[in-house]
Amino acid sequence: GAVVSQHPSWVICKSGTSVKIECRSLDFQATTMFWYRQFPKQSLMLMATSNEGSKATYEQGVEKDKFLINHASLTLSTLTVTSAHPEDSSFYICSATQGGGGNQPQHFGDGTRLSIL
Amino acid sequence: GQNIDQPTEMTATEGAIVQINCTYQTSGFNGLFWYQQHAGEAPTFLSYNVLDGLEEKGRFSSFLSRSKGYSYLLLKELQMKDSASYLCAVKDSNYQLIWGAGTKLIIKP
Repeated sequence: GAVVSQHPSWVICKSGTSVKIECRSLDFQATTMFWYRQFPKQSLMLMATSNEGSKATYEQGVEKDKFLINHASLTLSTLTVTSAHPEDSSFYICSATQGGGGNQPQHFGDGTRLSIL
Repeated sequence: GQNIDQPTEMTATEGAIVQINCTYQTSGFNGLFWYQQHAGEAPTFLSYNVLDGLEEKGRFSSFLSRSKGYSYLLLKELQMKDSASYLCAVKDSNYQLIWGAGTKLIIKP
C-alpha cells in the first residue's frame, strides 16, 4: 500500500520550455503532498507543501510564479516549472502522506530528472 | 534554528553491523523517521520512532532517546545492496519534516 506515482521520470527540453510533473497517490487519498528538489550529492530541499483545494505553501526562496503547484484532487498534485532554464535542471521528487496522523511517513514518488539544455 | 546532524559518510564490511547516528535540535518533536535513498532514486521509508526505545524491523533497527535528542539506525548482516544514503528526519511541533543531509554508507566486500 501507499504507492506514489510520479511522471515523467526523465525530461530533456530546451531553455524556455514549461514542464509539468504529475504526482499521484495510487491507493490512498493524500490531503497533503510535498515537492522536493535535490541537486547531485546534496540533501532533499523542500520546495512547497501542496494542500488539496487550497494554495500551496512555498518555502523561503522558492518562486511561486516559476514553480506552479496545483492540487486539484485528493490523488493528484502537479508541479509546473515555467520557462525553465539550465539552472532549473535537478531531480524533482514528490511525496504524499496517508492520513493526517503525525506518525504517517511520507511516501515518495520515483522522482523526475529534469535537464534543461 | 532547527538542526539535524548525521555523519557525512561511513564505510562498513559486508556481513558486519553498522550504526548510523543522528542528533537533532528542533522546535518540538513529533517523531523521527529514517529513510534509505539509493543513488539516483527517491527515498524509501525505513522506520519511525516517537517513543524512547528500540524499534526492530528485520535487519534494521532504530533507536530513539528524546531527552538526548538522539537516534541511531542499526543495520545488521550488511549486504552490498545496503550501500545507499540514509536520511534522518524529524517532525517538529508544526508537524513540519526537518531533513538531515544524509549519511552515505559504503559497503565493502
